[in-house]
Amino acid sequence: EIEMTQSPAALSVSPGERATLSCRASQNINRDLAWYQQKPGQPPRLLMYSASTRPTGIPPRFSGSGSGTEFTFTISSLQSEDFAVYYCQQYIEWPWTFGQGTKVEIK
Amino acid sequence: QVQLQESGPGLVKPSETLSLTCIVSGGSISGGSFSNYHWNWIRQPVGKGLEWIGRMQTTGSTRYNPSLKGRLTMSLDTSKNRYSLRLDSVTAADTAVYYCTAGGYLADYWGQGILVTVSS
Repeated sequence: EIEMTQSPAALSVSPGERATLSCRASQNINRDLAWYQQKPGQPPRLLMYSASTRPTGIPPRFSGSGSGTEFTFTISSLQSEDFAVYYCQQYIEWPWTFGQGTKVEIK
Repeated sequence: QVQLQESGPGLVKPSETLSLTCIVSGGSISGGSFSNYHWNWIRQPVGKGLEWIGRMQTTGSTRYNPSLKGRLTMSLDTSKNRYSLRLDSVTAADTAVYYCTAGGYLADYWGQGILVTVSS
């Protein structure tokens, strides 16, 4: 099973600032990586796939990069609605696995 | 756009079977734009991370997470536009919010989730 490791576990950021989240895979996953956002009491929401492709309707302040084993997810200018937990997920090999999440908190 | 709603008991006794249903609306589960969708179950222990436990195509092809050690069965009921999960021999470790999800390949659409507690 591919292990996904996210860092940091929590990140304190002021509104309007940039947030950078990392995700590392235990083996090469090419660019088969997705990112999800989860707010309290809600299901997760798909924000990114193929490491850097935004689904329709996802704002451009969200961006992703990386390939192989190292990935980065960036929120360029944090809005109040962006404070949430973010999960990365690999889908190159079954079972598909998630990282443990990074909580983006208001500073 | 597909909409999903989980239903089932919120409490199951240890060693018994957990059965959940996901009702699909917004289109036919077996036709049209949904015919190539994958229908999934993802669970999340309260306060913890996500686990993708199974996925199924409209053809009936399934993939189950090996961590469940053969306890999981998923099925599709096209006549009622829904799909189901059956998890046998549950323990406290199966206590979680269970989400049904769907999408072309990933979890594009999610139900609101249903909390299932395994307890006597």
